[in-house]
Amino acid sequence: KQEVTQIPAALSVPEGENLVLNCSFTDSAIYNLQWFRQDPGKGLTSLLLIQSSQREQTSGRLNASLDKSSGRSTLYIAASQPGDSATYLCALHNQAGTALIFGKGTTLSVSS
Amino acid sequence: GAVVSQHPSWVICKSGTSVKIECRSLDFQATTMFWYRQFPKQSLMLMATSNEGSKATYEQGVEKDKFLINHASLTLSTLTVTSAHPEDSSFYICSARDSYTQYFGPGTRLTVL
Repeated sequence: KQEVTQIPAALSVPEGENLVLNCSFTDSAIYNLQWFRQDPGKGLTSLLLIQSSQREQTSGRLNASLDKSSGRSTLYIAASQPGDSATYLCALHNQAGTALIFGKGTTLSVSS
Repeated sequence: GAVVSQHPSWVICKSGTSVKIECRSLDFQATTMFWYRQFPKQSLMLMATSNEGSKATYEQGVEKDKFLINHASLTLSTLTVTSAHPEDSSFYICSARDSYTQYFGPGTRLTVL
């Protein structure tokens, strides 16, 4: 059974710092992997989607990488801002059309 | 982009009552919808997969008689929590899938007193 783990569970950094969030999964046969942002009490905002054939995706200050063979993905946030404070969730599809499997998330706090 | 709505956004009810949550795909047809539950500080856990016109498929450990799911049209799925108890208090999120992508609703906060 596929399991998704995110480390660390929580992270506090000062504004301007670059940071990396980690996601690992137990079964490397995935269809795609997605990173989401969730603000307290709110729904999900999709940040980046990486297909299984891709190695990375970039959007603004965010860069997500995927290494299927090692079962890992990282989300890199450059020049962090207080507005980046949120919980970041890693999720993946085992197969096309199936439900996403989520990690527990990393709660990020960026102080000004 | 595709939009998924949920109604209500929050609900408070008394123990023993039933609560219905609606999930709508506003600008696309969704043959498949998913229902997730999220407890505080926890991840989203899949409750059931709902296909239009057929019975929902429930994940292990989810009581199908307690969490009734109806997917009567390509744009609407409903989750009814029957005889709700305080332990059912949670954040319920639906998602709807088109041919390529899964889109998420904003969630419904259920509090059972």
